Amino acid sequence: DQQVKQNSPSLSVQEGRISILNCDYTNSMFDYFLWYKKYPAEGPTFLISISSIKDKNEDGRFTVFLNKSAKHLSLHIVPSQPGDSAVYFCAATGNTGTASKLTFGTGTRLQVTL
Amino acid sequence: DVKVTQSSRYLVKRTGEKVFLECVQDMDHENMFWYRQDPGLGLRLIYFSYDVKMKEKGDIPEGYSVSREKKERFSLILESASTNQTSMYLCASSLLLRDEKLFFGSGTQLSVL
Repeated sequence: DQQVKQNSPSLSVQEGRISILNCDYTNSMFDYFLWYKKYPAEGPTFLISISSIKDKNEDGRFTVFLNKSAKHLSLHIVPSQPGDSAVYFCAATGNTGTASKLTFGTGTRLQVTL
Repeated sequence: DVKVTQSSRYLVKRTGEKVFLECVQDMDHENMFWYRQDPGLGLRLIYFSYDVKMKEKGDIPEGYSVSREKKERFSLILESASTNQTSMYLCASSLLLRDEKLFFGSGTQLSVL
């Protein structure tokens, strides 16, 4: 039972354009959401996060939008750059009481073309 | 800079072998995690530890055990490796009790033949 879903396994975008990566979740107990970026032969690195009390969070070229009623979040990258080519994982967590347990999506491979 | 180091980048083992995957972090983090990454399945949590000698099962603990004798080191053990444990294994750590920003190692690609 995939609680965090990324329905697009891959996405190709031209340099300079907007990249939009989508993520859906089913567990209404999730209250914190994150995006991680993974290059080949490296571990994932934290990119940006959003709490359920917000509907938008920006960090430079990266913006995450959260629609709680639709249980949907999206990551916007504007403008896209070739160095953004990577696999992006959406992750979610709720209050587990001990160490946070993240539930990850299946990932979307973004390719930014010249 | 936080560093999470996994002892091997690539590992090839035979079915039935006992396998140890080692992970060390150098930032005095409380929490450590083991995930596996498989195509089409994303990252799935195997085990995590929030203190020395403390461990909790993740979503897919079957066939695995862990050991955390020292704060900086977290080992994943495959008691009897099977072919369905062929995967990319990722270790991660986080500073605080409830800290969602994980720092990952580079991963160990394990092949069980």
